[in-house]
Amino acid sequence: EAQVTQNPRYLITVTGKKLTVTCSQNMNHEYMSWYRQDPGLGLRQIYYSMNVEVTDKGDVPEGYKVSRKEKRNFPLILESPSPNQTSLYFCASSLLSGRAGEQYFGPGTRLTVT
Amino acid sequence: AQKVTQAQTEISVVEKEDVTLDCVYETRDTTYYLFWYKQPPSGELVFLIRRNSFDEQNEISGRYSWNFQKSTSSFNFTITASQVVDSAVYFCALSRVNNAGNMLTFGGGTRLMVKP
Repeated sequence: EAQVTQNPRYLITVTGKKLTVTCSQNMNHEYMSWYRQDPGLGLRQIYYSMNVEVTDKGDVPEGYKVSRKEKRNFPLILESPSPNQTSLYFCASSLLSGRAGEQYFGPGTRLTVT
Repeated sequence: AQKVTQAQTEISVVEKEDVTLDCVYETRDTTYYLFWYKQPPSGELVFLIRRNSFDEQNEISGRYSWNFQKSTSSFNFTITASQVVDSAVYFCALSRVNNAGNMLTFGGGTRLMVKP
């Protein structure tokens, strides 16, 4: 089954404790992306990657890191989480050509930073 | 810069009523894609429709229909004979074509509550 998986689905942590949210897709998509969803703001892009070892900032990259060492995986790293990073996070993937923009979303990771 | 505006933050209707969710967008591109996604209470994002800016033909899928008007930069979504299962947050989104970022710009979402 074609899908994007994220882990963990729920995470409660404390300020400053490094964490990683994993994202994996099995569709051989070149493009992967991370979004955060906050009430009234919709989804905003954090980082994206157009292929292995190619990453770039989205609209709200501060406080986040990413890496793309393999095509299928795109982890999101919070080196020193803060309460304002409490949010719902979505990973997405898509082809770069063809049906541009039609992104497949993971189930979401709800993060709470206290 | 691109922008998507969903002016209705919350809509409440009674089952079987028709409801229209508004979406207005801004872009300098002449070619782009528009999308609607549904987010039910379970939280996942469900793709509903993708529309190319060249194609202004309205689309109907069962109880769902979409009205794309390039002249007013709007891409409105109508649910006919709403059902309780339609209760969700609906997002309109805009994507550039051939954009290196392949980024979706989302509106703030409209929460639809359908009461029995």
